[in-house]
Amino acid sequence: DAKTTQPPSMDCAEGRAANLPCNHSTISGNEYVYWYRQIHSQGPQYIIHGLKNNETNEMASLIITEDRKSSTLILPHATLRDTAVYYCIVRVGWGGSEKLVFGKGTKLTVNP
Amino acid sequence: DTGVSQNPRHKITKRGQNVTFRCDPISEHNRLYWYRQTLGQGPEFLTYFQNEAQLEKSRLLSDRFSAERPKGSFSTLEIQRTEQGDSAMYLCASSWRRGDRGRGATNEKLFFGSGTQLSVL
Repeated sequence: DAKTTQPPSMDCAEGRAANLPCNHSTISGNEYVYWYRQIHSQGPQYIIHGLKNNETNEMASLIITEDRKSSTLILPHATLRDTAVYYCIVRVGWGGSEKLVFGKGTKLTVNP
Repeated sequence: DTGVSQNPRHKITKRGQNVTFRCDPISEHNRLYWYRQTLGQGPEFLTYFQNEAQLEKSRLLSDRFSAERPKGSFSTLEIQRTEQGDSAMYLCASSWRRGDRGRGATNEKLFFGSGTQLSVL
């Protein structure tokens, strides 16, 4: 079972920041937070991941709370092509099953 | 194209027939994963390989399902005696994983193919 909780859907205006929340209250010390997204009719695409520090790359920023029980994915300037299902996943980094377990994700719709 | 390649893209079969899907991972990747996805759901893990060794199988992988990765490169997923409930998108992903199992997952990124859509009539 997925160990994360996400809202089923969100809307965002084109050009604005999209902030996608994720709760992972049972996360363990050796589990990482990963974000993937899936555009219609394609396989999931890796976005970003982190352990406890905030992370930024060319696609997005990941903000993880100090207690690590929740995180937020930020798309700073959403475009229409960012419309997709976004999956937040906690994954063991070592010492256990290493598969990614997907939940239902958040369907983000970017509106013009 | 150097991404993960899956064939065929679409497969329509009659109930009771056998089907086989192929996945060609990114060439230097040592890990290969199979997932299944039905409409409105996230991908469900089926199995994964490190090189040619199958390291984990989901309970979803009944005895009608078998996956192989004979030379640690491409992989096949076979479904025998297909049922209508097998209709789904079958996704393959690959990654480069350093070290032995239990180590080195910290920066592992999975690259997914576009999937094979199976329809069982």
